[in-house]
Amino acid sequence: AQTVTQSQPEMSVQEAETVTLSCTYDTSESDYYLFWYKQPPSRQMILVIRQEAYKQQNATENRFSVNFQKAAKSFSLKISDSQLGDAAMYFCAYRSTQGAQKLVFGQGTRLTINP
Amino acid sequence: DAMVIQNPRYQVTQFGKPVTLSCSQTLNHNVMYWYQQKSSQAPKLLFHYYDKDFNNEADTPDNFQSRRPNTSFCFLDIRSPGLGDAAMYLCATSRERGVVDTQYFGPGTRLTVL
Repeated sequence: AQTVTQSQPEMSVQEAETVTLSCTYDTSESDYYLFWYKQPPSRQMILVIRQEAYKQQNATENRFSVNFQKAAKSFSLKISDSQLGDAAMYFCAYRSTQGAQKLVFGQGTRLTINP
Repeated sequence: DAMVIQNPRYQVTQFGKPVTLSCSQTLNHNVMYWYQQKSSQAPKLLFHYYDKDFNNEADTPDNFQSRRPNTSFCFLDIRSPGLGDAAMYLCATSRERGVVDTQYFGPGTRLTVL
């Protein structure tokens, strides 16, 4: 079974600074998908960014980018120019290409933005 | 706006009293999921529907059931809630099962068991 580990329960960053959230995973599969989801307080979870394992190029979405290291099974999220609206719980998630579209989540990292 | 709606947002029930949580979607997605998220833990998939095909996770307790009467609605029934079932319950949808589709989440229902 796949597992996802986020070793930072909480992180904080000054507004406009850059922060990196860590995620590692364990799988025996060679093809899979990785996601970062954001869950603001009392609001629904939304997709921030996703990465296909077969792609070597790191995904980017505006201020959000990932550092995908397949051999190391590492998938970190970098947020540049942090904004107050980035404050949320961030979940790293894994999804196999086989079977159901089940997301396996990490424990989450609570990100605080300091003005 | 098309979205995933969960009602109620907060539900309080008594130990052992059956409770039903509701999810509806206007996205016309084929797949609907129910996740359980306990405090400070990762969301965990309970089951999902692909159209009317029900798929239970192996470790989902028998206490949890689900119904999907049509494409738009899906219900989570907890037959005899215990204190350990207090959690946030998240509903999600995706367009199809065989492709890499984004899962769209509802805001969740926070269940309290007294």
